[in-house]
Amino acid sequence: NAGVMQNPRHLVRRRGQEARLRCSPMKGHSHVYWYRQLPEEGLKFMVYLQKENIIDESGMPKERFSAEFPKEGPSILRIQQVVRGDSAAYFCASSPRVRGIDGELFFGEGSRLTVL
Amino acid sequence: EDQVTQSPEALRLQEGESSSLNCSYTVSGLRGLFWYRQDPGKGPEFLFTLYSAGEEKEKERLKATLTKKESFLHITAPKPEDSATYLCAVRELTGGGNKLTFGTGTQLKVEL
Repeated sequence: NAGVMQNPRHLVRRRGQEARLRCSPMKGHSHVYWYRQLPEEGLKFMVYLQKENIIDESGMPKERFSAEFPKEGPSILRIQQVVRGDSAAYFCASSPRVRGIDGELFFGEGSRLTVL
Repeated sequence: EDQVTQSPEALRLQEGESSSLNCSYTVSGLRGLFWYRQDPGKGPEFLFTLYSAGEEKEKERLKATLTKKESFLHITAPKPEDSATYLCAVRELTGGGNKLTFGTGTQLKVEL
């Protein structure tokens, strides 16, 4: 399967713990995005990364959330000291960029975080 | 700020009963309007991209159209397997990348 791979699919954490969500983009895609889908709400942009660079983090909460896309390995979305309001589905997506043109965005199956 | 509004929120159709979903948008400049399908517990699945008013794209029973203020997703003779939430999103002209603004979706149920 050459699609966007996310893990874990489901994650349960207690308040105050840390959550780490991982994402491997589609083969050939170097641009990774994280979106969050809260219950009864639409998908919201969080952050846009390229290898070793954060391009746009305007949708990231100012505290406790961080993201990286290292030279080797998957992209990681990290949530420290989780609270109940962090419970949501977190989707990773990737897209190609050819000669300065952004292609379509392809999503993974999501990681569903439940905070107890 | 970009706004995307989808209607209706939910739609129930009989198999074979054609209908349309609406997506109205407000952006300072459009660099693409996207339609996705999302099944329960799954990630959004890409359907179409439209770039300019008057453009149309088709795939099986689905046809997407675009005007300067809205897009329609027409479903012709739907089948139960078309049941899903359909999401509309816009990509703004300014800035780069795929920072999309999504609507909250139309939940479609097609019954036998």
